[in-house]
Formats: sequence, structure tokens, C-alpha cells
Amino acid sequence: KAGVTQTPRYLIKTRGQQVTLSCSPISGHRSVSWYQQTPGQGLQFLFEYFSETQRNKGNFPGRFSGRQFSNSRSEMNVSTLELGDSALYLCASSFSGAFTDTQYFGPGTRLTVL
Amino acid sequence: AQSVTQLDSQVPVFEEAPVELRCNYSSSVSVYLFWYVQYPNQGLQLLLKYLSGSTLVESINGFEAEFNKSQTSFHLRKPSVHISDTAEYYCPESDLHYNQGGKLIFGQGTELSVKP
Repeated sequence: KAGVTQTPRYLIKTRGQQVTLSCSPISGHRSVSWYQQTPGQGLQFLFEYFSETQRNKGNFPGRFSGRQFSNSRSEMNVSTLELGDSALYLCASSFSGAFTDTQYFGPGTRLTVL
Repeated sequence: AQSVTQLDSQVPVFEEAPVELRCNYSSSVSVYLFWYVQYPNQGLQLLLKYLSGSTLVESINGFEAEFNKSQTSFHLRKPSVHISDTAEYYCPESDLHYNQGGKLIFGQGTELSVKP
């Protein structure tokens, strides 16, 4: 079974721009979660989608948004980029997002904001 | 609020020596605990997980972890490490405050460095 894929793998943007990251979950998985990973803050939860609905959201400003499509693929968008948004963005998929589900992570998208 | 504490930010060890990576969680009720490994420039890979039942869980590559409810710990051990085990290790738990799950709470991670 193919794993979680994320595109693009690397992005360089400038402050004020916006960016869209894409995540394709493992086939059959309906839950997709997004995390931001930085050296200072570690791994922080952004949001989770299930059946095209955002169920959970972390403590991030409204500039961070996402969506999920009917095929479970998900995108996240960051508008008005700031230097502090430079990070590795990881998405993870699971069958249903249940507490006991294993989350399978993609390789991440490395975003650099100049 | 739930929290996870990884007690060592860096653990240097020589090849073939035993290692223990320490992890404490804060939940006083049901817990669902995981250990993930992250190699450079890669995503996280599941090593093992504890959901219920036997308190000792094992992975296919020689790691094991023991769930200790009284000490609220879930330490990861390996009797003999290899150079290839050099990586960052995380022990998240499921956040039970959300009704539907989908969120893991992470500690700061432990960098395991295996030296020849």
C-alpha cells in the first residue's frame, strides 16, 4: 500500500505571500491531521479533517486553514506568510482518527519564508 | 491539560550498548501511547504503541517499551543499539479532550546519537 504523500517537498516563499500544501492519505484512510514542526516549539497540532469536515483545530491563527476533498486528500493554506511560519509541515492519515488509531505520517513539506 | 515529557533531550551512546529513552505522560485516566522515530529529512514512523492489555510492547526492530501506570511512564528500551538507530524519537499520546480524536500530543523529542 502506498504511504502518505505530500507535495511539494520544499517551498521557498517571501513574507506576505500565501502557500498551499497538499497531502494524499493512505488509501482507505478518512482522517487527515496536520502538524507544524519547528526546532523551538516541536510538533504542534494544526487541525484534523474527517469526511470533508474539520473536527479539531489547534491553537493557530486564522491564517492557517485547510480543507479535505471527497477522496480524502487534504490541503492546508497559509496566508500572509510570516518569518515564523518557516517549518516542516507534516500530515498524517489514519483510518478514522479514533484515539486508538495509528497515525501514518508523510515525509513533510519544508517551508522556508524569507 | 494532558502533557508529555521526554526527560532527556539528547542521549549519546556507543554502538552495541543498551539504551533507555524516558517518557512521562500526565493523564490519570485511559491512555493511548505511541513511540515514533524520525530520521533526518523524513516523516515520523511508528515504532510501537500501547492501547491496553500487556504492559510490555515490542517492535520488530528490537525496541520495547513498558507502560507503568503508577509512575505514568512509557520508557523505550533497546538492549543493543546500532549506528542506524541514530534519530529523533517521540512518544506522543492521544488527546482525549477531543471527542473524535485525530490529535496527538507530543513532547520535545529525544535525539539518540549512536557512536562507533
